[in-house]
Amino acid sequence: EPEVTQTPSHQVTQMGQEVILRCVPISNHLYFYWYRQILGQKVEFLVSFYNNEISEKSEIFDDQFSVERPDGSNFTLKIRSTKLEDSAMYFCASSDPHHGTGGLMGNQPQHFGDGTRLSIL
Amino acid sequence: AQKITQTQPGMFVQEKEAVTLDCTYDTSDQSYGLFWYKQPSSGEMIFLIYQGSYDEQNATEGRYSLNFQKARKSANLVISASQLGDSAMYFCAMREGRVGGFKTIFGAGTRLFVKA
Repeated sequence: EPEVTQTPSHQVTQMGQEVILRCVPISNHLYFYWYRQILGQKVEFLVSFYNNEISEKSEIFDDQFSVERPDGSNFTLKIRSTKLEDSAMYFCASSDPHHGTGGLMGNQPQHFGDGTRLSIL
Repeated sequence: AQKITQTQPGMFVQEKEAVTLDCTYDTSDQSYGLFWYKQPSSGEMIFLIYQGSYDEQNATEGRYSLNFQKARKSANLVISASQLGDSAMYFCAMREGRVGGFKTIFGAGTRLFVKA
């Protein structure tokens, strides 16, 4: 079964450094997402991406964050100048526009990658 | 605003018994999707089951079923015949149904412990 893959599985970075988290979504999916989960807390939405642009973002997704789909297969999350509080598990997800009920209003299940654990020192 | 509430921080169940994990939600939208994810101790998020707001039948997926009560705004997950491998964190989640498939809101989760 196709799956979302994320690299690296663990990233350790000095505070203030830039970090890029990489994701390869499922190949026929068109919607892409980033979430984060601070240790022991709930999963929080960061951003969704469709048709080569951000479709929605949360208040967490400030100017330090950016996303890109550079080559048609990868989907990246960049944090420009990391802070200690950016330490978390970051999940990439993708969904299929043609799966779900309600036609265009389909409620597609999102398939998650295994996550990248980001540790800021 | 959307909201997901999971009131059970932890649940215990005996192996081979059924267990129900509670989830209530709040939304003003008519079209939405409800999801359950499993997160084992290894950290990955595993999609289990989903229910569309217009679905008349309760969703089922193997040992998982979703008890959807729209009027009460509840979407409880029922796991039948629990197995030791079911021990994990379980998250209920919701997304408004729109073109573009936007953000998903997660509950705080319920940690399930299956006893041998």
